[in-house]
Amino acid sequence: QSALTQPRSVSGSPGQSVTISCTGTSSDVGGYNFVSWYQQHPGKAPKLMIYDVSKRPSGVPDRFSGSKSGNTASLTISGLQAEDEADYYCCSYAGSYTYWVFGGGTKLTVL
Amino acid sequence: EVQLVESGGGLVKPGGSLRLSCAASGFTFSNAWMIWVRQAPGKGLEWVGRIKSKADGGTADYAAPVKGRFTISRDDSKNTLYLQMNSLKTEDTAVYYCTRKRTGTLDYWGQGTLVTVSS
Repeated sequence: QSALTQPRSVSGSPGQSVTISCTGTSSDVGGYNFVSWYQQHPGKAPKLMIYDVSKRPSGVPDRFSGSKSGNTASLTISGLQAEDEADYYCCSYAGSYTYWVFGGGTKLTVL
Repeated sequence: EVQLVESGGGLVKPGGSLRLSCAASGFTFSNAWMIWVRQAPGKGLEWVGRIKSKADGGTADYAAPVKGRFTISRDDSKNTLYLQMNSLKTEDTAVYYCTRKRTGTLDYWGQGTLVTVSS
């Protein structure tokens, strides 16, 4: 069982928006502004899409946005495109003993 | 361009050992804290362990499932990170990724190397 809880799957049509939630505790998501989101296509390495809750690395489209409220972080993808279909994982720093914890992953299907 | 290239994966019997390598380029490796993350087939991501830069002490810490069996080391002269895995169990079967830490984020990931533990 993963430390952070994500929905197993979400779906949306091209052009629509979807939001993926990531629920942790005050020891991880709620305790640090170090939540990141990764996109993983089948057989590929995870790619950083959002870091520090809401920052986008260079090259990531602004259709991807992140937020946090309490112990729950969220990734919103607007203007869905076919290439967004992938698995998405949240990750949070959890202090100098547990270090990093991950969510179980959410499969995004673009209908 | 930051690049991380893992190697050394393969098939090993339970109880056996394997050493993974991660060759880094495109950044000052000696300044970086490096992390190993693994992903069992069809499963999610799991933090394995972390090694600090030598300037920050060079110490390593491990996740509970691998503590005492796995050892992370680094050779800054070769820009290479290592993961020595001993007493391997079937549940260690996974793709192993090396990643770079930047503040609280794992920003760059290698392509991964598959370790299969089976008799």
